[in-house]
Amino acid sequence: AQSVTQLDSQVPVFEEAPVELRCNYSSSVSVYLFWYVQYPNQGLQLLLKYLSGSTLVKGINGFEAEFNKSQTSFHLRKPSVHISDTAEYFCAVNTNAGKSTFGDGTTLTVKP
Amino acid sequence: DAGVIQSPRHEVTEMGQEVTLRCKPISGHDYLFWYRQTMMRGLELLIYFNNNVPIDDSGMPEDRFSAKMPNASFSTLKIQPSEPRDSAVYFCASSRSSGGVGLVTQYFGPGTRLTVL
Repeated sequence: AQSVTQLDSQVPVFEEAPVELRCNYSSSVSVYLFWYVQYPNQGLQLLLKYLSGSTLVKGINGFEAEFNKSQTSFHLRKPSVHISDTAEYFCAVNTNAGKSTFGDGTTLTVKP
Repeated sequence: DAGVIQSPRHEVTEMGQEVTLRCKPISGHDYLFWYRQTMMRGLELLIYFNNNVPIDDSGMPEDRFSAKMPNASFSTLKIQPSEPRDSAVYFCASSRSSGGVGLVTQYFGPGTRLTVL
């Protein structure tokens, strides 16, 4: 079985400041890691994913994440946030068996 | 591409009534997923299909819930009878296989907000 822990339920930050949203996972098998974003009243959409290869992955809207196998983490970062980045962010792990496990989500609020 | 289409977007019903949620996946996608999102439990995978066949329904909460996929372009999630604790946002997602289902990106629909009174 796998599990995902998003360490912060809410992250308030000022516009143009850097942000890090933390995600830790546990699994007994190899996993693939994803970050999704959910804007109000919408479905989730993919920000980025780690499947293999380089541990630093870049996604849309200037976000990036680093896979750290020893720490079982996949933290999401952005060097300078915008008001429009206000949303809920979900970390997810998939296995080849098709099991998708999502974290509880982190609400990012960007203040002017 | 129209994306994943779900209907209705909002549903309000009374306890005991049957509820049917509908989903049209993206054309050409061979995986379809049903999720439920609540404040208390977060985002839960209920069931997923591959080529119209249910692969894993271990997330379906109880026998009141059933899901079908009669063809590649349509799926339903039915709750009968509905209960207030079923109130949630239900998402459908689809994906195209590429070397293993774990590798693929899921494309989510806008969701159906279900309220059971």
